[in-house]
Amino acid sequence: GDSVTQMEGPVTLSEEAFLTINCTYTATGYPSLFWYVQYPGEGLQLLLKATKADDKGSNKGFEATYRKETTSFHLEKGSVQVSDSAVYFCALRVLNDYKLSFGAGTTVTVRA
Amino acid sequence: ETGVTQTPRHLVMGMTNKKSLKCEQHLGHNAMYWYKQSAKKPLELMFVYSLEERVENNSVPSRFSPECPNSSHLFLHLHTLQPEDSALYLCASSQEDRVGYGYTFGSGTRLTVV
Repeated sequence: GDSVTQMEGPVTLSEEAFLTINCTYTATGYPSLFWYVQYPGEGLQLLLKATKADDKGSNKGFEATYRKETTSFHLEKGSVQVSDSAVYFCALRVLNDYKLSFGAGTTVTVRA
Repeated sequence: ETGVTQTPRHLVMGMTNKKSLKCEQHLGHNAMYWYKQSAKKPLELMFVYSLEERVENNSVPSRFSPECPNSSHLFLHLHTLQPEDSALYLCASSQEDRVGYGYTFGSGTRLTVV
């Protein structure tokens, strides 16, 4: 079945540090890949996405590249801020399937 | 108003109460979902409605009863809940034939069962 594995947290960083959250996937079809972010007390918001191999999704300084050869979609940000403290979810969806498969989520805390 | 709206944002209910959670989407999507998010646990998909028909029910206890009267509205009716049902309940919507667009989520209802 389709599944997503992302690195376990929690991750604690200092402001302006580099952030990487690893995400790998298994899919029976050709998936679209997503990163969602959940700020405290809120629902999930789409952060970025990529729909085909070698696509790079980017938003708010975050980037992730769809790597078909390594079945990965790692999230990166060069200089984090306290406001980036949140839970980050990697997800995939394959063609002709309504289901969005989520990873377990990674909690990121950024200290001033 | 745009997006996915959930009401109420917070709900405290006793184990013998009956209450309902409401979700409304203004995006023209044709599929809607209920998720449960508990502390330290992965997101749990509870129910899926596609074109107003239930297409998935992931072994959810009968004390949770969904209703989808039209493509814009989704309800979760609650009765005789247990304390372990306390969680954040998230509603989402999507366009079923647009894989590349993912889901749009509401802000959730924080439910506390006392």
